[in-house]
Amino acid sequence: QVQLQQWGAGLLKPSETLSLTCAVYGGSFTDYFWTWIRQPPGKGLQWIGEISHSGSTNYDSSLKSRATISVDTSKNHFSLKLSSMTAADAAVYYCARGGSGYYRYYFDNWGQGTLVTVSS
Amino acid sequence: DIQMTQSPSSVSASVGDRVNITCRASQGISTWLAWYQQKPGKAPKLLIYAASTLQSGVPSRFSGSGSGTDFTLTISSLQPEDFATYYCQQANSFSPTFGPGTKVDIK
Repeated sequence: QVQLQQWGAGLLKPSETLSLTCAVYGGSFTDYFWTWIRQPPGKGLQWIGEISHSGSTNYDSSLKSRATISVDTSKNHFSLKLSSMTAADAAVYYCARGGSGYYRYYFDNWGQGTLVTVSS
Repeated sequence: DIQMTQSPSSVSASVGDRVNITCRASQGISTWLAWYQQKPGKAPKLLIYAASTLQSGVPSRFSGSGSGTDFTLTISSLQPEDFATYYCQQANSFSPTFGPGTKVDIK
């Protein structure tokens, strides 16, 4: 049974950097892609980016300049940093597991979500 | 990016009703499509992938169909626990995108 548990600061000031980490318990860490997705309050879902166990990354084009996803395979953790936060970045941020191989963009396990607020 | 649309944006239905939700992609995506269910305050849950494959543990009253640009999620007999918001998502490109969601609420 795979479980994803995430944590990080939930209140940021404008221009600060968001930092979130997701720990993976159970299952293989090396066979999958690991993903961050966000959801502004009352709105839909936006894929942010992904990382493989080897550190290969891929980002949404609109966030690529500000997002950094990293991995720590010794701890089965992966992390998201999003710089220059503004009110438009306020959202619930989720970590998720993408499938293996061709199914990397089917997200079958999710973290509990972290509500991130941006306010001065 | 591939844009996804859904219709209707909301639907009111009763327990036992058959519900159909439509999803359209801005370009052909073969069968690279997933459906998710989300309840308030919870993470989305994968229901269907590859347009019509039921995720393990998902009740058989859920089914998916379609290919190319047009897809449908069907709930054959709505149950009380099915009242939620449903999202489609394309998995065809290296930048997956979601539809805006369809809220299913109680009539």
